[in-house]
This record gives sequence, C-alpha cells and structure tokens, in this order.
Amino acid sequence: QKEVEQNSGPLSVPEGAIASLNCTYSDRGSQSFFWYRQYSGKSPELIMFIYSNGDKEDGRFTAQLNKASQYVSLLIRDSQPSDSATYLCAVTFPSGSARQLTFGSGTQLTVLP
Amino acid sequence: SAVISQKPSRDICQRGTSLTIQCQVDSQVTMMFWYRQQPGQSLTLIATANQGSEATYESGFVIDKFPISRPNLTFSTLTVSNMSPEDSSIYLCSVADETQYFGPGTRLLVL
Repeated sequence: QKEVEQNSGPLSVPEGAIASLNCTYSDRGSQSFFWYRQYSGKSPELIMFIYSNGDKEDGRFTAQLNKASQYVSLLIRDSQPSDSATYLCAVTFPSGSARQLTFGSGTQLTVLP
Repeated sequence: SAVISQKPSRDICQRGTSLTIQCQVDSQVTMMFWYRQQPGQSLTLIATANQGSEATYESGFVIDKFPISRPNLTFSTLTVSNMSPEDSSIYLCSVADETQYFGPGTRLLVL
C-alpha cells in the first residue's frame, strides 16, 4: 500500500528560525521525492525534488533524503512570513508509473513576524 | 516548465448535473494527470489521462463517474458526472516531464 506520512502540524516558528518538515514513506523501492508548497486557495507549487541519498540545497531550502530510513525532510532556513503555507511531501512508488505522485496530508507552517 | 490553464476556474452546480473541466497546456506533454483535493485534505490522484486511449483510473475512481478525454498531447477534459455535494472539491490537472506541475485548479461546489 502506498503511504506517505507527514508530521501533522500545524507548525509555528519565529521569523528567522529554521523550519523542519518531515515525511516518511512506505515503500523502500521509491525513487523520487518532491516537496510542494501550497498557499491557501492556490494550487501546489514545486519547491524541490530529490532522488539521491543526502542533502540537496536550493537557496534557503534543503531537502534531505535517507532511503534506508525511508525518510525525507525539508529545512527552511531564515524563515519568512511569506513561507507560511501548507507543505506537501510527494513520492513516486515502484508500483505506479514513474510520474504518479502519492501525497502526504501536508504540514501547515506559520512563520510568526 | 509548461504553462497550464484550466476552465472553468470555479463553478457552483446543482446535484445530479455534470460538469466538464478543461485542461490546456502550452506545449506537448506525454503525461497528464487529474487530481482531486477535497476541503482541508491533500491531493488524491483520480486518473492518468492517456493520449489516444482510455484513462487509467486509481482505486476508488471509475470511468462512469469521471470520464476523461485526451484527444492530443496538449489538451484533456475531466467530467464529473451526476454530481452530489460530496464531489465538492478542487480538481487539478497536472503535467509531468522531469517533475510535475499543476494547473490553477477548478473549484467546484455542488449544492
């Protein structure tokens, strides 16, 4: 069964802090991992994707993947109020097509000024 | 990334009626998908829209309820048939190359 779990939140951090968002998935054979940001009333927007174990950095965002632990995380450094949104973790599973995404339930992040 | 548009952006419909949602992409794409996002929930994949053949539906979704067309590599439609209030959701089309991008969504309210 395809399962993607995210820490339920909501998560509040002060402006300038590091926000840490976590995600676990059920299939050790999964290959592709994505983080989307969704503002209220808007469609999801891709922030980062990661395929290999380790860290991947893009500006203030770092994705971390540990396939042995079936765990992927997103760190947001120097959090800004504009980062306040719901963050969705998405995974492709070996049983589906290479592009079918299974989403977690999302973590709502609030960055407090 | 491809630019995706959807029509209508929102609609209010009566129970028992049907609504067809259009998804247009500004370039040819191989993979197109339809998702549903119910209020306060995450995204659930409805089906993969296959060009020139029948769509591939996920568990819990059937062609009679959600017929899908994909006449070419830039366009797809999703019909929500015989609607009930439980169909009130945001419906999103997406396209995939190296990564997956979403259209702006169609917000449907069924009364």
